[in-house]
Amino acid sequence: DSGVTQTPKHLITATGQRVTLRCSPRSGDLSVYWYQQSLDQGLQFLIQYYNGEERAKGNILERFSAQQFPDLHSELNLSSLELGDSALYFCASSEGPLGETQYFGPGTRLLVL
Amino acid sequence: GQQVMQIPQYQHVQEGEDFTTYCNSSTTLSNIQWYKQRPGGHPVFLIQLVKSGEVKKQKRLTFQFGEAKKNSSLHITATQTTDVGTYFCAGPVTGANNLFFGTGTRLTVIP
Repeated sequence: DSGVTQTPKHLITATGQRVTLRCSPRSGDLSVYWYQQSLDQGLQFLIQYYNGEERAKGNILERFSAQQFPDLHSELNLSSLELGDSALYFCASSEGPLGETQYFGPGTRLLVL
Repeated sequence: GQQVMQIPQYQHVQEGEDFTTYCNSSTTLSNIQWYKQRPGGHPVFLIQLVKSGEVKKQKRLTFQFGEAKKNSSLHITATQTTDVGTYFCAGPVTGANNLFFGTGTRLTVIP
């Protein structure tokens, strides 16, 4: 158990819909990272927050947005969903902002029908 | 842009055989990390290497960081079925704050 929690575990929705994925980092970690992993694919970095502020941006679509709240939990919002958005979405956390060791949550499996 | 490639992409070995995956970065890395993702699971941190030429061992796993800090390798001696999974290397993105994950090597161990 990494100490990072993600909800929900599974999500099935339809094209055009909007969903919110939630992540709680390990106790004491200030950075939260979001990744997308499609079937048989690597980890695509989406975005990083550190202590409430956006810190780094990767291949995140404009239809996607995220935020980190004062209690350090983070939410990833995916809107106008398309079939190709079906994937595993991982959240990871680390102590600081500079690419240290990351601890991954169990992931949310999103299926867009 | 920065790239981190791993080879091979897939590897099937007989249980008891050795396995090696190689990680190559297009840029010099300040450190390199290795993660393992079991089938159906999430990536789990294995180790971090920082120094040029550094070698670290964890039981049957040997990790090496190249002298130029642009490549790394993970060697598993006498594989077991518990070694099955995808092994990712990752390094800090130049000028940014996040990690860049390699393409991964998926290891299958045949009993």
